[in-house]
Amino acid sequence: TQLLEQSPQFLSIQEGENLTVYCNSSSVFSSLQWYRQEPGEGPVLLVTVVTGGEVKKLKRLTFQFGDARKDSSLHITAAQPGDTGLYLCAGGGYSTLTFGKGTMLLVSP
Amino acid sequence: GAVVSQHPSWVICKSGTSVKIECRSLDFQATTMFWYRQFPKQSLMLMATSNEGSKATYEQGVEKDKFLINHASLTLSTLTVTSAHPEDSSFYICSAQTGLAGVAGEQYFGPGTRLTVT
Repeated sequence: TQLLEQSPQFLSIQEGENLTVYCNSSSVFSSLQWYRQEPGEGPVLLVTVVTGGEVKKLKRLTFQFGDARKDSSLHITAAQPGDTGLYLCAGGGYSTLTFGKGTMLLVSP
Repeated sequence: GAVVSQHPSWVICKSGTSVKIECRSLDFQATTMFWYRQFPKQSLMLMATSNEGSKATYEQGVEKDKFLINHASLTLSTLTVTSAHPEDSSFYICSAQTGLAGVAGEQYFGPGTRLTVT
């Protein structure tokens, strides 16, 4: 069974701070996706990384896929209250996704 | 693009009744749809994988006779919670998968359905 561990599970910071969320596994994934979910809504896909060592940027968000394709990180620069939400990483196999337990981020003004 | 809708967005039903939840891919065809369940402040738990025209594949511990899944077309999958009980109260989310060749297809999620069984 493939498992994805996310850390930290909960993060409360002030507006303007930087943060990094980690997603680790002992398994190799063909791809890894990051989602953000707000309360009462479905997850929204932020990015998909496929190549080991790949780095993708989405405005203030930087996503990195580990060289061995077993881990990933999400770095947010100058966090804003609008970044508040549950961040989920998900590893892709042939069809199904394995989800991490999520990181709940709270950004206070 | 890649919009998925769910209906209803919330439903309250009495114990013992059945509830049907619809999941539609609005602007693409999805050969595979997934049904998840999510408890407060927890991650998504995959319930079943739904393939168009074939029987759904259920995850271990999920009762297929209780959670009936039908995937009759490339844009519609339904989940029916039969004989609902209060412990079935949860947030149910569907997703539809694009068919990216050679890569695990990205999943696009519906907005979820909040089910409350009284």
